[in-house]
Amino acid sequence: QVQLVHSGAEVKKPGASVKVSCKASGYTFTGYYIHWVRQAPGQGLEWMGRITPNNGDTNYAQKFQGRVTLTRDTSISTAYMELSRLRSDDTAVYFCARDGHGYNFDYWGQGTLVTVSS
Amino acid sequence: QSALTQPPSVSGSPGQSVTISCTGTSSDVGTYNRVSWYQQPPGTAPKLMIYEVSNRPSGVPDRFSGSKSGNTASLTISGLQAEDEADYYCSSYTISSTWVFGGGTKLTVL
Repeated sequence: QVQLVHSGAEVKKPGASVKVSCKASGYTFTGYYIHWVRQAPGQGLEWMGRITPNNGDTNYAQKFQGRVTLTRDTSISTAYMELSRLRSDDTAVYFCARDGHGYNFDYWGQGTLVTVSS
Repeated sequence: QSALTQPPSVSGSPGQSVTISCTGTSSDVGTYNRVSWYQQPPGTAPKLMIYEVSNRPSGVPDRFSGSKSGNTASLTISGLQAEDEADYYCSSYTISSTWVFGGGTKLTVL
């Protein structure tokens, strides 16, 4: 069965960077986009960007351009999201999600809580 | 890219029907049939309920249905059940090759 498993929770100081991983299993990793979506406490979902695992091509939301970098390692079926210059309002749960070939998000990881605090 | 507009909350009694709207623009909902809906109970990851406006993934009850007219998409839940209580989000692909979510709607089953 399709599974997306995140790395563990992180606590970072303002100005630092964080790198979250998402390990895929149960399907051909290179055959589907991976998206990253975040959710601040008590808030809605916010799309950050997506990566094409086959060739590394990326699209980012304008809001995160220059601060977020999506990468992947096809040898271990893992996608990564790195967010730099962290601020307190970056405190959120960060989800990876598979694109189900219909421009939707058909499988989601359990999410990684990133807390930014001095 | 501005978020799609959803009502903050809706409610209904068991057995009733409720409809959640999702209003975008000609840059997203109005141009593409790439609208999807997600259910998110508290403390869990979202779950895909509807894709491409009106299609249900395997395992989603047929009580859930979707439609679209112009720049507004809608999710209708008929025969409400207590287990349907959750937050619901719409999403659309955009002309900028990005995706955008709605602000979310909290469904309360009275």
